[in-house]
Order: sequence, then structure tokens, then C-alpha cells
Amino acid sequence: EVQLVESGGGLVQPGQSLRLSCAASGFSLSSFWMNWVRQAPGKGLEWVANIKEDGSEKYYVDSVKGRFTISRDTANNLLYLQMNNLRVEDTAVYYCARGSGIALWGQGTLVTVSS
Amino acid sequence: DIQMTQSPSSLSASVGDRVTITCRASQDIKNYLAWIQQKPGKAPKSLIFAASNLQSGVPSKFSGSGSGTHFTLTISSLQPEDFATYYCQQYGTYPRTFGGGTRVEIQ
Repeated sequence: EVQLVESGGGLVQPGQSLRLSCAASGFSLSSFWMNWVRQAPGKGLEWVANIKEDGSEKYYVDSVKGRFTISRDTANNLLYLQMNNLRVEDTAVYYCARGSGIALWGQGTLVTVSS
Repeated sequence: DIQMTQSPSSLSASVGDRVTITCRASQDIKNYLAWIQQKPGKAPKSLIFAASNLQSGVPSKFSGSGSGTHFTLTISSLQPEDFATYYCQQYGTYPRTFGGGTRVEIQ
């Protein structure tokens, strides 16, 4: 079955770090652009970052540049989002999503940043 | 950044109605436009890519049109399972940006 399953969310304090994982099954991450998209409570969708099929290009929304890093482990078909220096405004459900024009979404993992 | 403006922000409709949602881009995005459906408490689901192409498994009651800066999503005959929030997203330039969403409610 083709699916994406995120994990790694949780409650952290401002300034702390968290790493999200996204396990892909039924396809190879090396064949698709992959994205992270987030949704703050009660708000709309916000694109966060993506990575090219071969890993050679990575892009970020300005608000996370220098703090978040997207990466992947092609051997294990895993996508990551390393989030450092977290802020209260990073609180959201984080979705991984496949494709330049997104075709497939995971179920999301909740990140809460609060003191 | 390209701003994506959806209208209306919400609408009330009845089962069987034809519904049209509009999305306008602040710059030309050619046809790099997707439509996404999200039901309360659920993950998003992609409906349309490249402005007018249905994703696999999406029923033909959904259709998309437009290019450049003006796009529409039409639901030909609204069914109970279609009550949701709909987002447009441009993927022609960085950062990728979403519209604010259109909430479709039962009248």
C-alpha cells in the first residue's frame, strides 16, 4: 500500500529541538519531491520545506530557514525534518506529502511548543 | 511571495447543488495549481493537479479550470461527503503558498 506515516511529534519547550520522521511505503523517496506542510490549530495549511528526488535541492519557507533542516534516508525510505530552536508559533500538525504538486499526504504528527 | 486568494471564504449549499470556488494568484503561475480537500480532524486529500487534472481515484464530479492567475474548482452535484474545507496551492515558485481555504457547509 502506498502511504506516508509521520512520527516524532510531542510537547517541547521554546528553544528546544525535535526531529520528525516520515516513513514511506509502496514507493521510493528517490523518485519524488517530498514536502513538509504544517497546520497550526484552527488555521490553514502552510508549506514548510521540500527536497528534490535526488536530494540535490532543498527549499524552505523564510520563517524556518536556519532552524529547520529537511533530509532523507533513502536506504530506509525515511524523510526527516530536524527542527531546532523551536518557537511557540511552530506549534502545528506537521504533514509529510509527496510530489511537487502534492498527490499524497500522511496523517500528520502534532508538535506543541509551550513553556 | 505569491499570494493565493480564495473566494468565498465560506459558503452554505444544499445536497445536489453545483458549487464553484475561485482562487486568484498575485502573479502568473501558469497551471501550477492544486486543489486540496480537508475534512475536520482529518489529513488533507489532493483532488486536482496542474489546474485541471484529477488525482487518481477522485470522482469526476470535481473539476478544475484556469491558468495564469485565475482558477476555479467546481463540484457538479454536492454530496454529504463533500462538506469540507477546500484549499488551492501554487507550486510554480518558492515558497509554495496556499489559499486561505473555503469552508463548504450544509445549508
